[in-house]
Amino acid sequence: AQSVTQLDSQVPVFEEAPVELRCNYSSSVSVYLFWYVQYPNQGLQLLLKYLSGSTLVKGINGFEAEFNKSQTSFHLRKPSVHISDTAEYFCAVSPPSSASKIIFGSGTRLSIRP
Amino acid sequence: ETGVTQSPTHLIKTRGQQVTLRCSSQSGHNTVSWYQQALGQGPQFIFQYYREEENGRGNFPPRFSGLQFPNYSSELNVNALELDDSALYLCASQGQGARNTEAFFGQGTRLTVV
Repeated sequence: AQSVTQLDSQVPVFEEAPVELRCNYSSSVSVYLFWYVQYPNQGLQLLLKYLSGSTLVKGINGFEAEFNKSQTSFHLRKPSVHISDTAEYFCAVSPPSSASKIIFGSGTRLSIRP
Repeated sequence: ETGVTQSPTHLIKTRGQQVTLRCSSQSGHNTVSWYQQALGQGPQFIFQYYREEENGRGNFPPRFSGLQFPNYSSELNVNALELDDSALYLCASQGQGARNTEAFFGQGTRLTVV
């Protein structure tokens, strides 16, 4: 079985400041790792994904994440945030056999202060 | 736009009633998964359909059932609605094969049970 833990339920940051959203996962088998973003009253949009290979993955909107197998972490980072980044962010895992059987974390609400 | 459409966008039902939610998958995608997202929580996997057969189920009671049609569109049916069934219901579609490593989500159906 897999599980995902997002360590912060809310992260407030000032505009143009860097941000890191933390994610740890647990799995007895290899998994794909994802970060999704959800804007108010909308569905989920994929930010980035790690399948294999290079541990640093870059996604849309200037986000990146680093896979750390020894620490079972997949933290999301952005060097400079904008007001438009205000949203809920979900870390997730899925078995390689089916990328749509996804286990999500509980989410981190990113709020940007001007 | 992901190409995954859900209907209706909102609906209100009374406890004990039955509801049917619909999802049209992205063109060429033969796998559909359904998720329940309660307020303030991450999405929870309900079940997946592949080529009209159920292909995995999460921890949801039998009163949650589904169908997939030959055109790969799908329905989620919930019987004997309870107040706790109030949530955003998300549909995700995915193609098959090693290159299909991403699920595409619809905008969701917001169900309120009163």
